[in-house]
Amino acid sequence: EADIYQTPRYLVIGTGKKITLECSQTMGHDKMYWYQQDPGMELHLIHYSYGVNSTEKGDLSSESTVSRIRTEHFPLTLESARPSHTSQYLCASSDAGDLDTQYFGPGTRLTVL
Amino acid sequence: QKEVEQNSGPLSVPEGAIASLNCTYSDRVSQSFFWYRQYSGKSPELIMSIYSNGDKEDGRFTAQLNKASQYVSLLIRDSQPSDSATYLCAVKNWNTGNQFYFGTGTSLTVIP
Repeated sequence: EADIYQTPRYLVIGTGKKITLECSQTMGHDKMYWYQQDPGMELHLIHYSYGVNSTEKGDLSSESTVSRIRTEHFPLTLESARPSHTSQYLCASSDAGDLDTQYFGPGTRLTVL
Repeated sequence: QKEVEQNSGPLSVPEGAIASLNCTYSDRVSQSFFWYRQYSGKSPELIMSIYSNGDKEDGRFTAQLNKASQYVSLLIRDSQPSDSATYLCAVKNWNTGNQFYFGTGTSLTVIP
């Protein structure tokens, strides 16, 4: 059972607001990821981190930023939310070993009005 | 060409039958392969991982990997209505910084 948490689970917010989606894991995993997924569609990698102070952009540019100051915490920030940001945001983590299996959090459903 | 290709379905099988889900990948040096199940509105949960050619069995699930054909499949025996979900194939590619690539998923419906 993976111990990875996301808050909030649901968020409805107006255009132009700054928001931060939280993700925490208690497994001591070095690697963490943010994905965006629209209903019935594939997962798109937004950002990833291979450890503290390491962050990289994924394939999907979503005008967001991340930080990795602590191993267990990987927040995602949207500086100015837009309706096009409406989606499901999934956080995942994996260890740095050969298995490298990704475990997902419950997700945050974001709606931007 | 996408890194990972799956038939989007929907695939329908009667309860008790074998469901067969298929996935192909484009990069021959891909090393690790995963099957995730995703219920509607939920996050993906890991079912199985496979790294070597051949079959790997876990309960009612069997993953099959053929690296020469760049093909990985998931068999679900004695399918149950609770197996109805979208199944995601994922591939880890060492050549691209160990990034994971997910397919679009195959929707499975098990009919009681």
